Amino acid sequence: AQSVTQLDSQVPVFEEAPVELRCNYSSSVSVYLFWYVQYPNQGLQLLLKYLSGSTLVESINGFEAEFNKSQTSFHLRKPSVHISDTAEYFCAVSERASDYKLSFGAGTTVTVRA
Amino acid sequence: NAGVTQTPKFQVLKTGQSMTLQCAQDMNHEYMSWYRQDPGMGLRLIHYSVGAGITDQGEVPNGYNVSRSTTEDFPLRLLSAAPSQTSVYFCASSYSGAGGYGEQFFGPGTRLTVL
Repeated sequence: AQSVTQLDSQVPVFEEAPVELRCNYSSSVSVYLFWYVQYPNQGLQLLLKYLSGSTLVESINGFEAEFNKSQTSFHLRKPSVHISDTAEYFCAVSERASDYKLSFGAGTTVTVRA
Repeated sequence: NAGVTQTPKFQVLKTGQSMTLQCAQDMNHEYMSWYRQDPGMGLRLIHYSVGAGITDQGEVPNGYNVSRSTTEDFPLRLLSAAPSQTSVYFCASSYSGAGGYGEQFFGPGTRLTVL
């Protein structure tokens, strides 16, 4: 089974500053990668995903993530954060060998301050 | 579409009580799953189902039962609640296998406290 490591449990950041959330996974031949966001007292929402094709994927609200196969990473970035980006972010991985079951990282809490 | 719905939103139980967490989806997804979320541990898979009549254990199945009699519903039963089951429970659904590559759609969660 996949293991997913999110290297930072808490990331405080000022409004309009950039942010990067790091995610590494154990190596595999073929993986599918996801970032989910959980706003306070809500369920998880898909932020973006990498299935195939271009290694750089983007969300509608300005986040982007890059799949790096050699480093087994899928880091999430945003060049300028807003107060509304305060949330917990989860990296998740699936693979055919595990019947596409999702393995989640422990989560990174982003707190945006004015 | 309502998506994935869960009831109740909050529940307090005493040790030893039993209860059922309800989950329903209206997207005709074959794959449904239950997770628990605990601080610093991400989401851990309890049980999952790849279709009506088929269920299997996930990472942390002890103390929980599931059944899948219809495509839409996937209830989670706590047989004899313990304080260690205090958690937030999420139900999720997805297209099966390669059709979805694992992308899951989540319900709003049930916050359970066991005293």
